[in-house]
Amino acid sequence: QVQLVQSGAEVKKPGSSVKVSCKASGGTFSSYTISWVRQAPGQGLEWMGRIIPILGIANYAQKFQGRVTITADKSTSTAYMELSSLRSEDTAVYYCAREYGPHWQQPDWYFDLWGRGTLVTVSS
Amino acid sequence: EIVLTQSPGTLSLSPGERATLSCRASQSVSSSYLAWYQQKPGQAPRLLIYGASSRATGIPDRFSGSGSGTDFTLTISRLEPEDFAVYYCQQYGSSPNTFGPGTKVDIK
Repeated sequence: QVQLVQSGAEVKKPGSSVKVSCKASGGTFSSYTISWVRQAPGQGLEWMGRIIPILGIANYAQKFQGRVTITADKSTSTAYMELSSLRSEDTAVYYCAREYGPHWQQPDWYFDLWGRGTLVTVSS
Repeated sequence: EIVLTQSPGTLSLSPGERATLSCRASQSVSSSYLAWYQQKPGQAPRLLIYGASSRATGIPDRFSGSGSGTDFTLTISRLEPEDFAVYYCQQYGSSPNTFGPGTKVDIK
């Protein structure tokens, strides 16, 4: 059974970057799309962007455009989310999540499998 | 983008009671592409319902979803102790997909 295993917690300075990984354990990404969703402390869920690993194509929420880069390594079934120019408001738990259906059928899907989350703390 | 509003913000109920959670969209949700998630403290969200009314694998039948267009409902027929959590709706019928702000179901 596939699990999404995320990298550990990070503490970063304002203005720096963070790169979080998400590895499919017990399987591969296959044709699935992997999204990144974040949750600030005590707040709701916010979609950041996605990657289609078999195509290497990513797209991003407008809010994060220019500041986030999502990539994937098919050989290791690992997706990465890099967020730059960090500020205190970026302090959040970052989740990777698998979108249920194929990208060619519709651009957005619900999320049927989630990683456990990675806490990123931005503090001087 | 479609904005989702959830009500109430908090629902205080006792075990065994019925919970009715609302999710309203700013525009019609295409093909009833509406999902519900449950999130407990310190955990990732868990998919409960997709397509407005289809239960995800392993979800007990006390959870049911309904609605179409702009108005959707998650019903928990009889609350179990493990059901006290925060519930989010998500629409995936229009890009970008968006989430509601959540409804917290807590113990009265």
